Amino acid sequence: QVQLVQSGAEVKKPGASVKVSCTASGYTFTSYYLHWVRQAPGQGLEWMGVINPNGGFTNYAQMFQDRVTMTRDTSTSAVYMELSSLRSEDTALYYCARAVAGTRSWFDSWGQGTLVTVSS
Amino acid sequence: EIVLTQSPGTLSLSPGERATLSCRASQSVSSNYLAWYQLKPGQAPRLLIYGASSRATDIPDRFSGSGSRTDFTLTISRLEPEDFAVYYCQQYGSSPPITFGQGTRLEI
Repeated sequence: QVQLVQSGAEVKKPGASVKVSCTASGYTFTSYYLHWVRQAPGQGLEWMGVINPNGGFTNYAQMFQDRVTMTRDTSTSAVYMELSSLRSEDTALYYCARAVAGTRSWFDSWGQGTLVTVSS
Repeated sequence: EIVLTQSPGTLSLSPGERATLSCRASQSVSSNYLAWYQLKPGQAPRLLIYGASSRATDIPDRFSGSGSRTDFTLTISRLEPEDFAVYYCQQYGSSPPITFGQGTRLEI
């Protein structure tokens, strides 16, 4: 079955960077785009961007454009989301999600989430 | 960017009752590209509905989606105890960016 397994919780200081991984299994890794979505405490879901594992094409939400980098490693079927210049408002649960239809798509499978806490 | 507004913010019902959740878009959602998700603490989000009305795999038929253009509805015909959760709508017709509603909390 399709599985997306994310790396463990992180605690970072303001100004630092964090890199979260999402390892896919149960399907052909390069056939589905992977998106990143976050949820801050008490808040709703916020789309961050998308990566096409086949070729590495990315598209980022404007608000994260200058701070986020999404990459992939086809040898391990993993995608990575790195967020830099962290601030307290970046404290959130970060999810990867598989898209059925590329950039404009719903998400049929999600990772378990990675909690990133930004605190001095 | 399409803004999605969900109502009500919180819905208090009992098992066996019918739940009607609304999602209104600030502009027409292209091709009815709207999905619904269920979120429970400590669990991965679960896809319920895509394309406004298509039920996802293994989703019970008590969940149904309807609507078009700017007004969409998720209906749960007879609430089961496990249905009490937070529900989000998502539009993917005009993306990027993909946008979500702010959520409706369904509580007992």
